[in-house]
Amino acid sequence: EAGVAQSPRYKIIEKRQSVAFWCNPISGHATLYWYQQILGQGPKLLIQFQNNGVVDDSQLPKDRFSAERLKGVDSTLKIQPAKLEDSAVYLCASSQRTFQETQYFGPGTRLLVL
Amino acid sequence: GDSVTQMEGPVTLSEEAFLTINCTYTATGYPSLFWYVQYPGEGLQLLLKATKADDKGSNKGFEATYRKETTSFHLEKGSVQVSDSAVYFCALSVGGSQGNLIFGKGTKLSVKP
Repeated sequence: EAGVAQSPRYKIIEKRQSVAFWCNPISGHATLYWYQQILGQGPKLLIQFQNNGVVDDSQLPKDRFSAERLKGVDSTLKIQPAKLEDSAVYLCASSQRTFQETQYFGPGTRLLVL
Repeated sequence: GDSVTQMEGPVTLSEEAFLTINCTYTATGYPSLFWYVQYPGEGLQLLLKATKADDKGSNKGFEATYRKETTSFHLEKGSVQVSDSAVYFCALSVGGSQGNLIFGKGTKLSVKP
């Protein structure tokens, strides 16, 4: 069974530029999560999708971050414009359903904003 | 709000030493508890979990018991190996239908031969 795929693995941009990350969850997983992991900290949830609907985006900085999950499969997370403090690893995870379900994580995208 | 506190690292041990990484939590309701591990250059992997009080999760020689009375979920291993060198994250899953994880800051473990 293929795992969670993410691309790109690394990205370097200058502040005020835009960037997009892509995630393909495990086949059949209804729930998809995006986490932000700043160096030295644990991952923090940005947004959670159930199929193609948003369940929780309370910690997503909506003035610059956006995410979508068209057709309930792949997802894209965008930052526009980027700030220095957005430098982090962006992790995508998926699970079959939600509560108490094991989440499977992708390798992450490491973003550096200069 | 809900939170997880785990012991700060880094932790350096010799091979075959006993490992304990402390984790305590604050949560409303009855969360599920998890330990995730991140090996160098790899993504987060579930190590073990427990879904109710007094449950013991175990995997690869690691164990953790869900202690409601002390709100703790300490990770233990009797004899660590060099290959256990990684960052370990304690996490809880909030109640309700959401299931998103709240993580501690992580503890880096280095095991020397």
